[in-house]
Amino acid sequence: QLLEQSPQFLSIQEGENLTVYCNSSSVFSSLQWYRQEPGEGPVLLIALYKAGELTSNGRLTAQFGITRKDSFLNISASIPSDVGIYFCAGQPNAGGTSYGKLTFGQGTILTVHP
Amino acid sequence: AAGVIQSPRHLIKEKRETATLKCYPIPRHDTVYWYQQGPGQDPQFLISFYEKMQSDKGSIPDRFSAQQFSDYHSELNMSSLELGDSALYFCASSLKRLGDSPLHFGNGTRLTVT
Repeated sequence: QLLEQSPQFLSIQEGENLTVYCNSSSVFSSLQWYRQEPGEGPVLLIALYKAGELTSNGRLTAQFGITRKDSFLNISASIPSDVGIYFCAGQPNAGGTSYGKLTFGQGTILTVHP
Repeated sequence: AAGVIQSPRHLIKEKRETATLKCYPIPRHDTVYWYQQGPGQDPQFLISFYEKMQSDKGSIPDRFSAQQFSDYHSELNMSSLELGDSALYFCASSLKRLGDSPLHFGNGTRLTVT
């Protein structure tokens, strides 16, 4: 199972909106978005479980595709502290032994200029 | 809220030495996962435990072993260390018995092998 994440790099001005995309040929039970700062662990931003689900967390909005093969994460009104690496991670079938064997995208490195 | 605790945060070892990494999951979480993240890479799944039993294995070298104890904390033991083992090692936990449950990551242990 592979997750293609784009773009790889994103450099924007403070206040701008941005969107990160994840696509796969595989179906996932759920999809999670994480943000990671250098030397720190990934921090969960949004978890998506239902096909077509649209979920918001403050300035963050994410949607799980109808086919469960894709997702996007949108951040509105970006601020300098949004910088970091954003990962999408797909989770295989719930309840199976491979439940926590997340497949990560390659990451999107976000820079926000004041 | 309590998070996943990992120790030590940093560890420096020489080639062929042994290292032990510890993980304390979020209270009441029943599943622990270990991931390895090389420089500029996305996290790679190593091994997981559900209710103290190994539930899945990823690309974990035979030189590595892990276990989950009665208090649910977990240890990753790494022997005959190689330079290529230098990486960030993350532990994550979830409450699998609820079904869909996202992974929550610790801040990791940075292992440097010299």
